Amino acid sequence: DAGITQSPRHKVTETGTPVTLRCHQTENHRYMYWYRQDPGHGLRLIHYSYGVKDTDKGEVSDGYSVSRSKTEDFLLTLESATSSQTSVYFCAISDVSGIDRDEQFFGPGTRLTVL
Amino acid sequence: GEDVEQSLFLSVREGDSSVINCTYTDSSSTYLYWYKQEPGAGLQLLTYIFSNMDMKQDQRLTVLLNKKDKHLSLRIADTQTGDSAIYFCAERRGGADGLTFGKGTHLIIQP
Repeated sequence: DAGITQSPRHKVTETGTPVTLRCHQTENHRYMYWYRQDPGHGLRLIHYSYGVKDTDKGEVSDGYSVSRSKTEDFLLTLESATSSQTSVYFCAISDVSGIDRDEQFFGPGTRLTVL
Repeated sequence: GEDVEQSLFLSVREGDSSVINCTYTDSSSTYLYWYKQEPGAGLQLLTYIFSNMDMKQDQRLTVLLNKKDKHLSLRIADTQTGDSAIYFCAERRGGADGLTFGKGTHLIIQP
Protein backbone atom coordinates (compact mmCIF):
# COMPACT_ATOMS: atom_id res chain seq x y z
CA ASP A 1 0.00 0.00 0.00
CA ALA A 2 1.12 3.55 -0.76
CA GLY A 3 2.21 5.41 2.38
CA ILE A 4 -0.69 7.80 2.80
CA THR A 5 -2.27 8.73 6.12
CA GLN A 6 -5.11 11.08 6.86
CA SER A 7 -5.95 12.78 10.14
CA PRO A 8 -8.28 12.88 11.81
CA ARG A 9 -10.10 9.77 10.60
CA HIS A 10 -13.39 10.95 12.07
CA LYS A 11 -14.56 14.39 13.13
CA VAL A 12 -17.82 15.90 14.28
CA THR A 13 -18.03 19.67 14.32
CA GLU A 14 -20.58 22.45 14.40
CA THR A 15 -21.69 24.76 11.64
CA GLY A 16 -19.50 27.84 11.38
CA THR A 17 -16.37 26.35 12.93
CA PRO A 18 -13.09 26.05 11.04
CA VAL A 19 -11.83 22.56 10.25
CA THR A 20 -8.48 21.40 8.89
CA LEU A 21 -7.86 17.93 7.50
CA ARG A 22 -4.36 16.66 6.98
CA CYS A 23 -2.94 14.30 4.39
CA HIS A 24 0.56 12.97 4.88
CA GLN A 25 2.56 10.88 2.41
CA THR A 26 5.88 9.09 2.67
CA GLU A 27 6.24 8.37 -1.06
CA ASN A 28 7.74 11.72 -2.09
CA HIS A 29 5.12 11.98 -4.84
CA ARG A 30 4.74 15.32 -6.57
CA TYR A 31 0.96 15.40 -6.98
CA MET A 32 -1.59 15.40 -4.17
CA TYR A 33 -5.37 15.65 -4.37
CA TRP A 34 -8.40 16.12 -2.17
CA TYR A 35 -11.71 14.50 -3.15
CA ARG A 36 -15.04 14.25 -1.41
CA GLN A 37 -17.33 11.25 -1.64
CA ASP A 38 -21.08 11.63 -1.27
CA PRO A 39 -23.88 9.14 -1.87
CA GLY A 40 -25.05 9.31 -5.47
CA HIS A 41 -22.07 11.38 -6.62
CA GLY A 42 -19.05 9.15 -6.63
CA LEU A 43 -15.87 11.10 -5.88
CA ARG A 44 -15.42 14.74 -6.85
CA LEU A 45 -12.17 16.68 -6.95
CA ILE A 46 -11.93 19.62 -4.54
CA HIS A 47 -8.36 20.89 -4.97
CA TYR A 48 -5.04 19.48 -6.04
CA SER A 49 -1.36 20.31 -5.79
CA TYR A 50 1.35 19.78 -8.36
CA GLY A 51 4.22 20.80 -6.11
CA VAL A 52 5.14 22.69 -2.96
CA LYS A 53 3.10 25.90 -2.86
CA ASP A 54 1.50 25.02 -6.23
CA THR A 55 -2.21 24.32 -6.00
CA ASP A 56 -5.26 24.59 -8.20
CA LYS A 57 -9.02 24.27 -7.94
CA GLY A 58 -11.06 21.22 -8.79
CA GLU A 59 -14.71 20.71 -9.60
CA VAL A 60 -16.14 21.53 -6.14
CA SER A 61 -13.68 24.00 -4.59
CA ASP A 62 -16.13 26.56 -3.15
CA GLY A 63 -15.85 26.77 0.64
CA TYR A 64 -12.47 25.01 0.74
CA SER A 65 -8.87 26.14 0.74
CA VAL A 66 -5.64 24.14 0.66
CA SER A 67 -2.01 24.57 1.49
CA ARG A 68 1.14 22.64 0.74
CA SER A 69 4.23 23.94 2.48
CA LYS A 70 6.23 20.73 2.10
CA THR A 71 6.12 17.74 -0.22
CA GLU A 72 4.71 15.30 2.30
CA ASP A 73 1.76 17.31 3.66
CA PHE A 74 -1.37 18.63 1.98
CA LEU A 75 -3.91 20.41 4.17
CA LEU A 76 -7.58 20.97 3.40
CA THR A 77 -9.32 23.75 5.33
CA LEU A 78 -12.99 24.49 5.69
CA GLU A 79 -12.93 28.11 6.88
CA SER A 80 -16.51 27.98 8.17
CA ALA A 81 -18.00 24.51 7.99
CA THR A 82 -21.55 24.03 6.68
CA SER A 83 -23.83 21.00 6.82
CA SER A 84 -23.41 20.54 3.05
CA GLN A 85 -19.75 19.77 3.72
CA THR A 86 -20.65 16.64 5.67
CA SER A 87 -18.89 14.00 3.62
CA VAL A 88 -16.06 11.51 3.44
CA TYR A 89 -12.85 13.19 2.32
CA PHE A 90 -10.14 11.28 0.51
CA CYS A 91 -6.61 12.31 -0.19
CA ALA A 92 -4.76 10.85 -3.17
CA ILE A 93 -1.21 10.99 -4.49
CA SER A 94 0.40 10.34 -7.84
CA ASP A 95 3.79 10.57 -9.44
CA VAL A 96 3.54 10.75 -13.20
CA SER A 97 6.93 9.53 -14.22
CA GLY A 98 6.34 8.55 -17.82
CA ILE A 99 3.80 8.18 -20.56
CA ASP A 100 2.80 4.74 -19.31
CA ARG A 101 2.67 5.49 -15.61
CA ASP A 102 -0.23 7.39 -14.11
CA GLU A 103 -1.43 5.78 -10.93
CA GLN A 104 -3.38 7.60 -8.25
CA PHE A 105 -3.34 6.03 -4.80
CA PHE A 106 -5.87 6.90 -2.14
CA GLY A 107 -5.68 7.36 1.59
CA PRO A 108 -8.11 5.74 4.06
CA GLY A 109 -10.47 8.74 4.22
CA THR A 110 -11.76 11.16 6.84
CA ARG A 111 -15.42 11.08 7.78
CA LEU A 112 -16.56 14.63 8.61
CA THR A 113 -19.95 15.43 10.11
CA VAL A 114 -21.06 19.05 10.38
CA LEU A 115 -24.01 19.52 12.74
CA GLY B 1 -25.45 14.89 -15.42
CA GLU B 2 -22.51 12.61 -14.71
CA ASP B 3 -19.77 12.47 -17.30
CA VAL B 4 -18.91 8.88 -16.44
CA GLU B 5 -21.85 6.47 -16.34
CA GLN B 6 -22.10 3.10 -14.61
CA SER B 7 -24.93 0.83 -13.60
CA LEU B 8 -25.56 1.07 -9.87
CA PHE B 9 -25.87 -2.65 -9.15
CA LEU B 10 -24.68 -5.97 -10.55
CA SER B 11 -25.57 -9.34 -9.06
CA VAL B 12 -23.64 -12.50 -10.01
CA ARG B 13 -23.31 -16.03 -8.71
CA GLU B 14 -20.13 -17.10 -7.01
CA GLY B 15 -17.81 -18.70 -9.55
CA ASP B 16 -19.32 -16.88 -12.54
CA SER B 17 -17.67 -13.99 -14.37
CA SER B 18 -18.68 -10.43 -13.53
CA VAL B 19 -18.66 -7.75 -16.18
CA ILE B 20 -18.93 -4.16 -15.01
CA ASN B 21 -19.52 -1.57 -17.70
CA CYS B 22 -18.73 2.12 -17.92
CA THR B 23 -19.23 4.83 -20.52
CA TYR B 24 -17.37 8.10 -20.62
CA THR B 25 -17.76 11.22 -22.71
CA ASP B 26 -14.34 12.82 -23.13
CA SER B 27 -12.58 11.49 -26.21
CA SER B 28 -9.36 13.16 -25.05
CA SER B 29 -9.15 10.99 -21.95
CA THR B 30 -5.66 9.59 -21.63
CA TYR B 31 -6.08 6.97 -18.91
CA LEU B 32 -9.07 5.04 -17.62
CA TYR B 33 -9.14 3.37 -14.22
CA TRP B 34 -10.96 0.82 -12.13
CA TYR B 35 -11.01 1.22 -8.36
CA LYS B 36 -12.49 -1.08 -5.73
CA GLN B 37 -13.99 0.17 -2.47
CA GLU B 38 -14.96 -2.17 0.34
CA PRO B 39 -17.34 -0.96 3.09
CA GLY B 40 -15.78 1.72 5.28
CA ALA B 41 -12.50 1.62 3.38
CA GLY B 42 -10.61 3.77 0.92
CA LEU B 43 -10.25 3.18 -2.78
CA GLN B 44 -7.96 0.46 -4.00
CA LEU B 45 -6.53 0.85 -7.49
CA LEU B 46 -7.27 -2.38 -9.36
CA THR B 47 -5.99 -1.56 -12.80
CA TYR B 48 -5.79 1.15 -15.41
CA ILE B 49 -5.44 1.31 -19.15
CA PHE B 50 -3.81 3.82 -21.41
CA SER B 51 -6.02 5.14 -24.17
CA ASN B 52 -3.89 3.68 -26.97
CA MET B 53 -4.60 0.14 -25.73
CA ASP B 54 -7.75 -1.87 -26.24
CA MET B 55 -7.19 -4.63 -23.70
CA LYS B 56 -5.27 -5.26 -20.53
CA GLN B 57 -5.22 -8.46 -18.50
CA ASP B 58 -4.01 -8.92 -14.95
CA GLN B 59 -4.71 -12.31 -13.35
CA ARG B 60 -8.52 -12.54 -12.93
CA LEU B 61 -9.09 -9.03 -14.26
CA THR B 62 -9.56 -8.11 -17.90
CA VAL B 63 -10.13 -4.54 -19.03
CA LEU B 64 -11.56 -3.82 -22.47
CA LEU B 65 -11.57 -0.35 -23.99
CA ASN B 66 -13.62 0.65 -27.01
CA LYS B 67 -12.57 4.20 -27.83
CA LYS B 68 -14.99 4.57 -30.70
CA ASP B 69 -17.96 3.96 -28.40
CA LYS B 70 -16.23 5.45 -25.31
CA HIS B 71 -16.95 2.22 -23.46
CA LEU B 72 -14.84 0.58 -20.78
CA SER B 73 -15.48 -2.74 -19.10
CA LEU B 74 -13.98 -4.74 -16.26
CA ARG B 75 -14.33 -8.50 -16.28
CA ILE B 76 -13.65 -10.43 -13.09
CA ALA B 77 -13.23 -14.13 -13.73
CA ASP B 78 -14.33 -16.73 -11.15
CA THR B 79 -16.01 -14.16 -8.91
CA GLN B 80 -15.52 -14.79 -5.19
CA THR B 81 -17.26 -13.44 -2.10
CA GLY B 82 -14.23 -11.25 -1.46
CA ASP B 83 -14.98 -9.42 -4.70
CA SER B 84 -18.12 -7.96 -3.16
CA ALA B 85 -17.53 -4.19 -3.18
CA ILE B 86 -18.27 -0.99 -5.05
CA TYR B 87 -16.32 -0.63 -8.29
CA PHE B 88 -15.58 2.84 -9.64
CA CYS B 89 -14.68 3.70 -13.17
CA ALA B 90 -12.66 6.91 -13.57
CA GLU B 91 -11.10 8.87 -16.40
CA ARG B 92 -8.19 11.25 -16.60
CA ARG B 93 -9.02 13.80 -19.23
CA GLY B 94 -6.39 15.27 -21.49
CA GLY B 95 -4.76 18.23 -19.75
CA ALA B 96 -6.50 17.58 -16.44
CA ASP B 97 -4.82 16.44 -13.26
CA GLY B 98 -7.60 14.99 -11.16
CA LEU B 99 -9.84 12.08 -12.09
CA THR B 100 -13.51 12.13 -12.99
CA PHE B 101 -15.38 9.26 -11.35
CA GLY B 102 -18.57 7.43 -12.05
CA LYS B 103 -21.03 6.85 -9.21
CA GLY B 104 -19.85 3.29 -8.71
CA THR B 105 -21.31 -0.19 -9.30
CA HIS B 106 -22.24 -2.31 -6.29
CA LEU B 107 -21.18 -5.88 -7.06
CA ILE B 108 -23.34 -8.37 -5.17
CA ILE B 109 -22.26 -12.00 -4.98
CA GLN B 110 -24.89 -14.70 -4.65
CA PRO B 111 -23.86 -18.06 -3.16
